[in-house]
Amino acid sequence: LAKTTQPISMDSYEGQEVNITCSHNNIATNDYITWYQQFPSQGPRFIIQGYKTKVTNEVASLFIPADRKSSTLSLPRVSLSDTAVYYCLVGRSSGSARQLTFGSGTQLTVLP
Amino acid sequence: EPEVTQTPSHQVTQMGQEVILRCVPISNHLYFYWYRQILGQKVEFLVSFYNNEISEKSEIFDDQFSVERPDGSNFTLKIRSTKLEDSAMYFCASRDSNMNTEAFFGQGTRLTVV
Repeated sequence: LAKTTQPISMDSYEGQEVNITCSHNNIATNDYITWYQQFPSQGPRFIIQGYKTKVTNEVASLFIPADRKSSTLSLPRVSLSDTAVYYCLVGRSSGSARQLTFGSGTQLTVLP
Repeated sequence: EPEVTQTPSHQVTQMGQEVILRCVPISNHLYFYWYRQILGQKVEFLVSFYNNEISEKSEIFDDQFSVERPDGSNFTLKIRSTKLEDSAMYFCASRDSNMNTEAFFGQGTRLTVV
């Protein structure tokens, strides 16, 4: 499994765009990049998944450069309720559980 | 939106006792998982289950753990003889059979071993 590295914590203010970058230097050809969000005492919740270039959904964008050795989760105009831990996961999306290996995550704190 | 449900939300048990944590995955899903999260630590994979058998397990999932899908809807995690260090949040997750699909997690069961 590709090892991921993320900042331990980030602070932001309401209304700002937040970018969280994840490094995954040994990503394999078949690996996808997935981001989950976790609030205290709740289960992780899927945010977005991508393979290359850019993916956008109603809550976030995911930017993946051509070499795929990193990825950036972009949250537009964050609010206080976006305060959570954000996990970057890298692995094959083939039904095997092993791709759902969580690292330490990034604690995002949104300040008023 | 479909959801994974877990019961109980909180369980307190004495060391050495057996506990069963219950999960109802999303109905058309085929892959099932248990994870745990010790307070303040990261989410750790325990076991995956597909086609009525364990497909993968971590080193945490030793002989005191077992999983079962007894009736086609419930998915249970049994801890035979609980230890203090088993105190954690336990999350159940499920996903469907398609490639590149998200896993849906339940709200978790907080297990406290005293």
